[in-house]
Amino acid sequence: SQQGEEDPQALSIQEGENATMNCSYKTSINNLQWYRQNSGRGLVHLILIRSNEREKHSGRLRVTLDTSKKSSSLLITASRAADTASYFCATDYDYKLSFGAGTTVTVRA
Amino acid sequence: NAGVTQTPKFQVLKTGQSMTLQCAQDMNHEYMSWYRQDPGMGLRLIHYSVGAGITDQGEVPNGYNVSRSTTEDFPLRLLSAAPSQTSVYFCASSPALRGSTQYFGPGTRLTVL
Repeated sequence: SQQGEEDPQALSIQEGENATMNCSYKTSINNLQWYRQNSGRGLVHLILIRSNEREKHSGRLRVTLDTSKKSSSLLITASRAADTASYFCATDYDYKLSFGAGTTVTVRA
Repeated sequence: NAGVTQTPKFQVLKTGQSMTLQCAQDMNHEYMSWYRQDPGMGLRLIHYSVGAGITDQGEVPNGYNVSRSTTEDFPLRLLSAAPSQTSVYFCASSPALRGSTQYFGPGTRLTVL
């Protein structure tokens, strides 16, 4: 399976702090995507980074991709209570998306 | 636009029963897929479709059937429910196969007793 693996499994931070989570995967990819899932809800797309890109920003999100190390990171800056959710990386290969098990982020007020 | 809709939201089945989970999208997307989500395991692809009349298996297809007679609809059929199929099921659609955002439905929580 191409499944990515997120690290850490869980993260607890204070409001205003930054949250960083990592994703490692096994083989070559076309692109890598990050999704957020609030408790009991469907997944929401956050950002897509292509295999020829190294860094991408969207609002308070910063994603990096290192294809030589087969890894990606998601940074959420100045976290808010509303950022409490599970975050998943998904690797795009062979016309399918393969998801990792996710990082659960809790932002404390 | 309603996006991706799924029905029912919740379902309880007895072992051996069959049922169909419904999925519809109104975005004219060619690509649709079904995932199941189990605790600690992320999402696993069950079946996917690249257009009307075309379907293929994903990572965990056993015990499930799909068909795609229209662009809008992509139902998932459980042939003979087993407790191992207790899970949350998500349908997703996207405009393209590669490099494209997937839009997810709200999910169906299925319990098989």
